[in-house]
Amino acid sequence: AQSVTQLGSHVSVSEGALVLLRCNYSSSVPPYLFWYVQYPNQGLQLLLKYTTGATLVKGINGFEAEFKKSETSFHLTKPSAHMSDAAEYFCAVSLNTGKLIFGQGTTLQVKP
Amino acid sequence: EAQVTQNPRYLITVTGKKLTVTCSQNMNHEYMSWYRQDPGLGLRQIYYSMNVEVTDKGDVPEGYKVSRKEKRNFPLILESPSPNQTSLYFCASSLAGEYNEQFFGPGTRLTVL
Repeated sequence: AQSVTQLGSHVSVSEGALVLLRCNYSSSVPPYLFWYVQYPNQGLQLLLKYTTGATLVKGINGFEAEFKKSETSFHLTKPSAHMSDAAEYFCAVSLNTGKLIFGQGTTLQVKP
Repeated sequence: EAQVTQNPRYLITVTGKKLTVTCSQNMNHEYMSWYRQDPGLGLRQIYYSMNVEVTDKGDVPEGYKVSRKEKRNFPLILESPSPNQTSLYFCASSLAGEYNEQFFGPGTRLTVL
């Protein structure tokens, strides 16, 4: 069965530092992978997605993620954190029914 | 503006009092879904619909009902709410196809006393 694991429920970085949020998935078929962001009191917004093709995917707000099939990973990175990046981040894998399987979420704190 | 709307945004109710949370999308999406979000558990799917009159259970359907009589609307019904249904609920929609982005509503925070 497909599943998603996000390592670290809370990540804290200083403003300007590298952001790395980890996501590992299990899937019996080539996956479609997504990262969503949730700002306080808001719904989820798509950051980026991997479907096919280039394994390095660029998203909004300077985020990118690399699909590594051999490691079953889809880690999210941003070279330099901004205060406005503080939010909860969800990794998800999509099934052929359209259902999204979400990880548990990682709360990113950005310290000044 | 393309969007998914949910109403109400906040609701406090008592055990056993039937309620409906509405969801509507204006993007002509075939696929719609309901999720609940609980701390430490991420989002879990309650029900989904592939198109009008086609609905199916997700991972946590107990205590919920849905209907899809029109393409744009996908209401979530709690016929006899219980305290364990206190949660944050999200409706989402997308075009058909698992590679498509799902668009989420703003959420409904439900408290059942």
